[in-house]
Amino acid sequence: EAQVTQNPRYLITVTGKKLTVTCSQNMNHEYMSWYRQDPGLGLRQIYYSMNVEVTDKGDVPEGYKVSRKEKRNFPLILESPSPNQTSLYFCASIRRGQAGYEQYFGPGTRLTVT
Amino acid sequence: GQQVMQIPQYQHVQEGEDFTTYCNSSTTLSNIQWYKQRPGGHPVFLIQLVKSGEVKKQKRLTFQFGEAKKNSSLHITATQTTDVGTYFCARAGNNRKLIWGLGTSLAVNP
Repeated sequence: EAQVTQNPRYLITVTGKKLTVTCSQNMNHEYMSWYRQDPGLGLRQIYYSMNVEVTDKGDVPEGYKVSRKEKRNFPLILESPSPNQTSLYFCASIRRGQAGYEQYFGPGTRLTVT
Repeated sequence: GQQVMQIPQYQHVQEGEDFTTYCNSSTTLSNIQWYKQRPGGHPVFLIQLVKSGEVKKQKRLTFQFGEAKKNSSLHITATQTTDVGTYFCARAGNNRKLIWGLGTSLAVNP
């Protein structure tokens, strides 16, 4: 079954404690992306990756890092989380469709930073 | 500039009523995508429109792309409680980036 998995699904942590949210896809997609979703602000892109070892900033990259060492995995790293990073995070894997790029989302990770 | 504006922000209907959400841009769009997010869920790709004036149907859902390729609509005929959720449109940006509307949240009274 084609899918995007994220772990953990829920996380409560404290300010400054490094954390990693994992994302994995089994569709052999080259392109992956991380978003955060906040009420009233919609979906905002944090980082994206066009292929292994190729990553770039999205709209809100501050406070986040990513890596893409292999095609299937695209972890999101918060080196020193702060309360303003409390949010719902989605990883997406992107398929090239007939005329554009379709995004397939993971189930989401709800992060609370206290 | 590059944003897409969605209206309305919220819509509350009785089951069986129709529903329409609109997506508008000030610039010409190369394509427009629609996604649905159920409460507590993740966005799910519904469809992509590319051609001027294009109309596509998925059961009770009808998607349209304007002649000028600056607007799009999603119409649901005879809503059901399973239609509840937030409907997003998204336009293609640079580097395979999607630029998202803020969504229309649909509530359906049984």
